[in-house]
Amino acid sequence: NAGVTQTPKFRILKIGQSMTLQCTQDMNHNYMYWYRQDPGMGLKLIYYSVGAGITDKGEVPNGYNVSRSTTEDFPLRLELAAPSQTSVYFCASVDRDNTEAFFGQGTRLTVV
Amino acid sequence: AQSVTQPDIHITVSEGASLELRCNYSYGATPYLFWYVQSPGQGLQLLLKYFSGDTLVQGIKGFEAEFKRSQSSFNLRKPSVHWSDAAEYFCAVGLNAGGTSYGKLTFGQGTILTVHP
Repeated sequence: NAGVTQTPKFRILKIGQSMTLQCTQDMNHNYMYWYRQDPGMGLKLIYYSVGAGITDKGEVPNGYNVSRSTTEDFPLRLELAAPSQTSVYFCASVDRDNTEAFFGQGTRLTVV
Repeated sequence: AQSVTQPDIHITVSEGASLELRCNYSYGATPYLFWYVQSPGQGLQLLLKYFSGDTLVQGIKGFEAEFKRSQSSFNLRKPSVHWSDAAEYFCAVGLNAGGTSYGKLTFGQGTILTVHP
């Protein structure tokens, strides 16, 4: 199993551009999450989903959108990139009957 | 709102020495508690977790943690550190509210561990 796969690994965006961070898991997990990690700040929850078609906001959702059309995929969309969105983004998934969150390797995004 | 504090931003130890990383949380009830480790350029890996029961929990790579309700703490320990333990360590808290809480976590700021030979 590949686990949680995130693409791309690195990206540089110009202010105002848009992009989609991809996240796919092959473990048939119900719950998926997007976090951002800023130096010295730990990880903060952006959005999460409890199943296909169901999403909800986390602690820092502004400037982002998500969708969950399938169990496997949970893309994160940035519509108008801003320097404040420079961060490392992590996707995670959890099985309904399990307790461990599996994390992807992250996407390092720089907005200039 | 729940919060997690890791008081030590950076800790340096010699290889073979013992290690304790501190974690304090603020929450109205007993939360789910986790320790994760992040190696450079990698995602997070679960070291151990506490939900209920025995307050001393064992994890992978020889780590253990002790839940102390009276101190709202969940400190991570290892009796003898190896050079490969150098990484960043995160304490995290989840709401004690069922399935979605396992991944809906509040993280501490992280502690960077440096190991000297």
